[in-house]
Amino acid sequence: SQQGEEDPQALSIQEGENATMNCSYKTSINNLQWYRQNSGRGLVHLILIRSNEREKHSGRLRVTLDTSKKSSSLLITASRAADTASYFCATDLKETSGSRLTFGEGTQLTVNP
Amino acid sequence: DGGITQSPKYLFRKEGQNVTLSCEQNLNHDAMYWYRQDPGQGLRLIYYSQIVNDFQKGDIAEGYSVSREKKESFPLTVTSAQKNPTAFYLCASSMPQGGPRRPYEQYFGPGTRLTVT
Repeated sequence: SQQGEEDPQALSIQEGENATMNCSYKTSINNLQWYRQNSGRGLVHLILIRSNEREKHSGRLRVTLDTSKKSSSLLITASRAADTASYFCATDLKETSGSRLTFGEGTQLTVNP
Repeated sequence: DGGITQSPKYLFRKEGQNVTLSCEQNLNHDAMYWYRQDPGQGLRLIYYSQIVNDFQKGDIAEGYSVSREKKESFPLTVTSAQKNPTAFYLCASSMPQGGPRRPYEQYFGPGTRLTVT
């Protein structure tokens, strides 16, 4: 089963509004990452947050991590039409050896102009 | 320019034929990965390789095979044993040489869309 589960599955907002996506996971992690995918393209890394961090910022992105609730959120502020994409969380699990990540099902974000 | 290339972008095959998808990187990364993505879904790991001449099965390895003879290259063969091969295939790499073993960010190629009829 997928480790990371994003919520909501789809989100539609107006340009200028904030978009919040959530990710829950089941077992302990070393770090959690967020990726973006434009339709029909490869994924692009957005931000990485380590298990001992609670919040991280990058431009208009804000990521929080609550290890007690096994959840993370990605906030995109002042959204633009160009932010329309699918967003995935990916977890580096403590239980897995090596260098693999486990991806969630994604949130499809649509920003209407 | 550094990056990951996948070829071809679109691939069409008849059922029962094996097909090999290419993935090349010039980022000097040790680790490489193959994922499968079905419409509207997330990524599922097929195979990954942490170093040349070594690779591990992911979550859905049945019907697929890989090789890692060179650091730069990680080709994926979709065999006739794969029951539902039509999908979008993504290759990625990570972990600069000499870095700590925990995952760093993954760099993705543009993907190959395989259609089998």
